[in-house]
Amino acid sequence: GDSVTQMEGPVTLSEEAFLTINCTYTATGYPSLFWYVQYPGEGLQLLLKATKADDKGSNKGFEATYRKETTSFHLEKGSVQVSDSAVYFCALREDTDKLIFGTGTRLQVFP
Amino acid sequence: DTAVSQTPKYLVTQMGNDKSIKCEQNLGHDTMYWYKQDSKKFLKIMFSYNNKELIINETVPNRFSPKSPDKAHLNLHINSLELGDSAVYFCASSRSGGAFGELFFGEGSRLTVL
Repeated sequence: GDSVTQMEGPVTLSEEAFLTINCTYTATGYPSLFWYVQYPGEGLQLLLKATKADDKGSNKGFEATYRKETTSFHLEKGSVQVSDSAVYFCALREDTDKLIFGTGTRLQVFP
Repeated sequence: DTAVSQTPKYLVTQMGNDKSIKCEQNLGHDTMYWYKQDSKKFLKIMFSYNNKELIINETVPNRFSPKSPDKAHLNLHINSLELGDSAVYFCASSRSGGAFGELFFGEGSRLTVL
């Protein structure tokens, strides 16, 4: 079945460091790919998405490119802030209504 | 106005009790979901309803019974609560019809079973 694999956390960075959180997926068809973010004590919010190969999703300085050849959708940000500290979830959705999540990666950014 | 709202936000109860969590969305979506997030933050879908009809049931014990009185509401009733039911339960909604739409999540309901 479809699945999403994310790098284990926590990822600990200093402010202004470069961020990469790896995400790879397994799917039978052509899924849409998403990154969701969960700030402490809150629900999940969509961060960015890409619906077809080579699409780049971007929002709030975060970017991810849908790479069909490597089945990946890695999240990147050039300069993280303390306020980016959260749990990040990679997810995919095919033609069913089901959104399948990875295990989440906790990011901790220190001043 | 909150798009997807859940009540209660916190619920502490004893093993064996029955409890309900309510969810309402004002986005005009026709698909609603319940997800369970365990202590390690892992999110797993439990149920999905489209226009009040059950379309996804992910082998959840039948102690869990979702009810959708209309397409803006999806409530979760849990009978005979067990310790392992302690988790954060998230309600979500989306437009149906394909892979492109995002899910909008509520803030979660933290259930603690003692």
